[in-house]
Amino acid sequence: GAVVSQHPSRVICKSGTSVKIECRSLDFQATTMFWYRQFPKQSLMLMATSNEGSKATYEQGVEKDKFLINHASLTLSTLTVTSAHPEDSSFYICSAFTRTSGGTDTQYFGPGTRLTVL
Amino acid sequence: QKEVEQDPGPLSVPEGAIVSLNCTYSNSAFQYFMWYRQYSRKGPELLMYTYSSGNKEDGRFTAQVDKSSKYISLFIRDSQPSDSATYLCAMSGNQFYFGTGTSLTVIP
Repeated sequence: GAVVSQHPSRVICKSGTSVKIECRSLDFQATTMFWYRQFPKQSLMLMATSNEGSKATYEQGVEKDKFLINHASLTLSTLTVTSAHPEDSSFYICSAFTRTSGGTDTQYFGPGTRLTVL
Repeated sequence: QKEVEQDPGPLSVPEGAIVSLNCTYSNSAFQYFMWYRQYSRKGPELLMYTYSSGNKEDGRFTAQVDKSSKYISLFIRDSQPSDSATYLCAMSGNQFYFGTGTSLTVIP
């Protein structure tokens, strides 16, 4: 079945450093990947939509210069949190969008990356 | 075997019907169980959040967790057209595992 991986699963960094999170679709091609952010016991907040070979579309209120997204191939999208601060500490979750052989649009989620900024 | 299995549907019901959505899982270490509702082009909205086994009720929504059977359910009573959305189950220990979502349409 379709699997989406994220790396790293957990990262702790100092304030001011940059952190790159990878999202990979392991056995299917995803033309579209989504990046979400989740605080404890809250809904997933859509940050941006990442399309292969083009610029990401950011949701209102999300700083595109702070959260850099690159979708270099049909199986890989990366999110870089630049100059991270403690308020950026959160769970970052990606999902990959594909159309099944039956014609159903399906979204597969990654397991999340827990970012802690000291 | 996938960590979480969820029937993708689609599921169509008439307005007022009781809807039952289900997920099964394989990892007995999961402790937190969640149901999300997602409208098109929006982030998944957290509906119910349950720790360990048991039932939890919130308005028309009831979440059940049966850890012995590794089975969770979401019931929607008196379904409304505005309930039409994709419903995702999720569970976590150290990481999140999501179902693929069930597409629900409530017909007026």
